[in-house]
Amino acid sequence: AAGVIQSPRHLIKEKRETATLKCYPIPRHDTVYWYQQGPGQDPQFLISFYEKMQSDKGSIPDRFSAQQFSDYHSELNMSSLELGDSALYFCASSPQDRGPYEQYFGPGTRLTVT
Amino acid sequence: AQTVTQSQPEMSVQEAETVTLSCTYDTSESDYYLFWYKQPPSRQMILVIRQEAYKQQNATENRFSVNFQKAAKSFSLKISDSQLGDAAMYFCAYMNNNAGNMLTFGGGTRLMVKP
Repeated sequence: AAGVIQSPRHLIKEKRETATLKCYPIPRHDTVYWYQQGPGQDPQFLISFYEKMQSDKGSIPDRFSAQQFSDYHSELNMSSLELGDSALYFCASSPQDRGPYEQYFGPGTRLTVT
Repeated sequence: AQTVTQSQPEMSVQEAETVTLSCTYDTSESDYYLFWYKQPPSRQMILVIRQEAYKQQNATENRFSVNFQKAAKSFSLKISDSQLGDAAMYFCAYMNNNAGNMLTFGGGTRLMVKP
């Protein structure tokens, strides 16, 4: 079965640089969620999109922005990177016809800021 | 704000034995969902089991079952016949549609399985 695809899987950036993370949801999934998991931490919700519109916003820094495109893929843009942004970034998707509770996670993008 | 607490940072179990992971949560809502996610060393988040708060019957998925105590706001995970592949970090998570569809996770419990 198709899964959520995230790219790149690993990313190394320097402080003050920008990064773009991409997420391709499972086919026919119209909702995308982004989570950030710091070292030794539990995942924290950042932002979500339903039908290309932002639906919920969590603890996402103002330096980050995200959007969902017409093909339902989503991109998380991170600017002025800080050392504390080093984390595993998960994207999850869910199908509308099974409600929001069936969230399927991608493998994550590991971002390292040096 | 909803909070999810996992009081056991680490647990260990002998292969083929049974282990129970604890989770408590705080909410003023009556309609919500609870989940257990497994995160193996690969760091992939895998849904293990889910429970709808309006259902009195405890969810079961093969060797995994939950003990959902709504009044006590408790949601424990029982793993029967533990296998080496069960070794992972386990996260309890909460979702309430009225407060957005995001998952709120507990701090996790690291489960070790001894051969």
